[in-house]
Amino acid sequence: GAGVSQSPSNKVTEKGKDVELRCDPISGHTALYWYRQSLGQGLEFLIYFQGNSAPDKSGLPSDRFSAERTGGSVSTLTIQRTQQEDSAVYLCASSLSLGQKNIQYFGAGTRLSVL
Amino acid sequence: AQRVTQPEKLLSVFKGAPVELKCNYSYSGSPELFWYVQYSRQRLQLLLRHISRESIKGFTADLNKGETSFHLKKPFAQEEDSAMYYCALSGQGAQKLVFGQGTRLTINP
Repeated sequence: GAGVSQSPSNKVTEKGKDVELRCDPISGHTALYWYRQSLGQGLEFLIYFQGNSAPDKSGLPSDRFSAERTGGSVSTLTIQRTQQEDSAVYLCASSLSLGQKNIQYFGAGTRLSVL
Repeated sequence: AQRVTQPEKLLSVFKGAPVELKCNYSYSGSPELFWYVQYSRQRLQLLLRHISRESIKGFTADLNKGETSFHLKKPFAQEEDSAMYYCALSGQGAQKLVFGQGTRLTINP
């Protein structure tokens, strides 16, 4: 079946612009996660959803970052007033349900470049 | 606090040689440990997890709670093993994965 789908695959934007990154999880997966992969920082957790709720937003680096999930499926990560330090690969993952033992399946990522 | 340490950023071995990628963790409870792999131009994918106690593509990893380690091993490396390897931890009640910095493994012919 189809895996986690992310769009766009690449995004180049100017400093100060807003961007939206989209994630389509695997059908039937109730849990969805966003991570960021950047040079020097490795892979860092941003936020997760169970259904449409986001109980843990602790990983969002600033209030310029927000995310939502609608219909228990598609999620959008929005970065407002982008800065150069936001340049990274943003990864989305989904799992069948929450829980320590659940396997997270990753998308191919969106590479964001802020000029 | 949860922390995963992969001390080697780069590791290079010859084809047919044994390979060991080190992973140490810091966590006070009972963690779940995973190894994820990212081949060139492919997405991050699960290689193995300690709960399964499987051998995947010839790789094994044993959780050593005394040494808080989860090293990844393969007795005979193959060129197709060249990739970026990430060790990750999931804590009790936590929903996120905490990743190490990754080790880039290169298998030389």
